[in-house]
Amino acid sequence: DTAVSQTPKYLVTQMGNDKSIKCEQNLGHDTMYWYKQDSKKFLKIMFSYNNKELIINETVPNRFSPKSPDKAHLNLHINSLELGDSAVYFCASSQLQTGRSSGNTIYFGEGSWLTVV
Amino acid sequence: AQSVTQLGSHVSVSEGALVLLRCNYSSSVPPYLFWYVQYPNQGLQLLLKYTTGATLVKGINGFEAEFKKSETSFHLTKPSAHMSDAAEYFCAVSGSDYKLSFGAGTTVTVRA
Repeated sequence: DTAVSQTPKYLVTQMGNDKSIKCEQNLGHDTMYWYKQDSKKFLKIMFSYNNKELIINETVPNRFSPKSPDKAHLNLHINSLELGDSAVYFCASSQLQTGRSSGNTIYFGEGSWLTVV
Repeated sequence: AQSVTQLGSHVSVSEGALVLLRCNYSSSVPPYLFWYVQYPNQGLQLLLKYTTGATLVKGINGFEAEFKKSETSFHLTKPSAHMSDAAEYFCAVSGSDYKLSFGAGTTVTVRA
């Protein structure tokens, strides 16, 4: 069973469209994340939710809106897509918030390749 | 805030040779350090991590890393490269702001 699963894996869409990426984790973790990996493979956190509550929002445009219906799901909705949004988006989860827990490991999904044309 | 610098964006090694990937960190508090691997078109997988205790950390697939506080380094090594080690490797640090900050990544290619 896949621990962190996200869909779709590949998505090609036109500028101006609205799209969503769904993420589910079956690890029983309390914290979920969205990371963006750009064309140079640089990874940067976008959002973090702990038990459905937003705890990190890293200066991401308002066009990006995460939604967490329950602690096992964290979906990412993107409005008015722009060319610069083309990237790989990774969902991830951990038992606790990143950082101060020695047992805390972040588990990543397989990624969603978004191409805006 | 904390950060990591990975020295060398691309490393090429011969099969059977030593793999050495360099990572230096900056953190205002004792850091937690991680190495992740990303195979082509896949997500990130944890190789190993350092939190506290023993400074030499062993991970999966024969990799290990040593935390050296005096050098603010956490270099990753593997004694003998295998073709399957070809991938992107990321060093990451978790510090005082509860975020995991990644380095720019190092691409490893293995020559037959």
